[in-house]
Amino acid sequence: GNSVTQMEGPVTLSEEAFLTINCTYTATGYPSLFWYVQYPGEGLQLLLKATKADDKGSNKGFEATYRKETTSFHLEKGSVQVSDSAVYFCARSNDYKLSFGAGTTVTVRA
Amino acid sequence: DGGITQSPKYLFRKEGQNVTLSCEQNLNHDAMYWYRQDPGQGLRLIYYSQIVNDFQKGDIAEGYSVSREKKESFPLTVTSAQKNPTAFYLCASGRLEGINEQFFGPGTRLTVL
Repeated sequence: GNSVTQMEGPVTLSEEAFLTINCTYTATGYPSLFWYVQYPGEGLQLLLKATKADDKGSNKGFEATYRKETTSFHLEKGSVQVSDSAVYFCARSNDYKLSFGAGTTVTVRA
Repeated sequence: DGGITQSPKYLFRKEGQNVTLSCEQNLNHDAMYWYRQDPGQGLRLIYYSQIVNDFQKGDIAEGYSVSREKKESFPLTVTSAQKNPTAFYLCASGRLEGINEQFFGPGTRLTVL
């Protein structure tokens, strides 16, 4: 099927540390790929996206590159802040729907 | 402002009662979606609709019903047949053309007592 697997959490980091959250997807078709972020008690917000191989999505210091050869879309940020504490979801498009990973909880400590 | 609204934010119901969650969007999107989120889990698709007066079951439709009488509105009814209805419910909308990005509402937390 069209599925997404992302790194299990929780992840706890100190401020200014480097963050990586791994995400891989099943290679059916040519999906668009997304990272969404969810702050406590809220809905999901789109963080970044990529629509084809080698595209790099970026926003708020976060980046992810669409790697077709490894079917991956890993999320990275070079220096996290306390305000980056949230749940991060990787997703792929699937016939006008989205398939989501299980989410990774990130906590950044001051 | 354009966006998606869900109401109420918190909802409490007694076991055995049906309850309807509201979702409205003014983004002129054709497609609308309902997801369920349980603690520590990802999002599971309940129902979706790509056009007025039509909708399809998602992965966990049992115990739920929807309607799509207007493009802007996609209410979800949690029926008494849903065995474990306590969860966080998220509504989303999106265009059918392009990259299928979805925009989410703030969610409704339903607690069945």
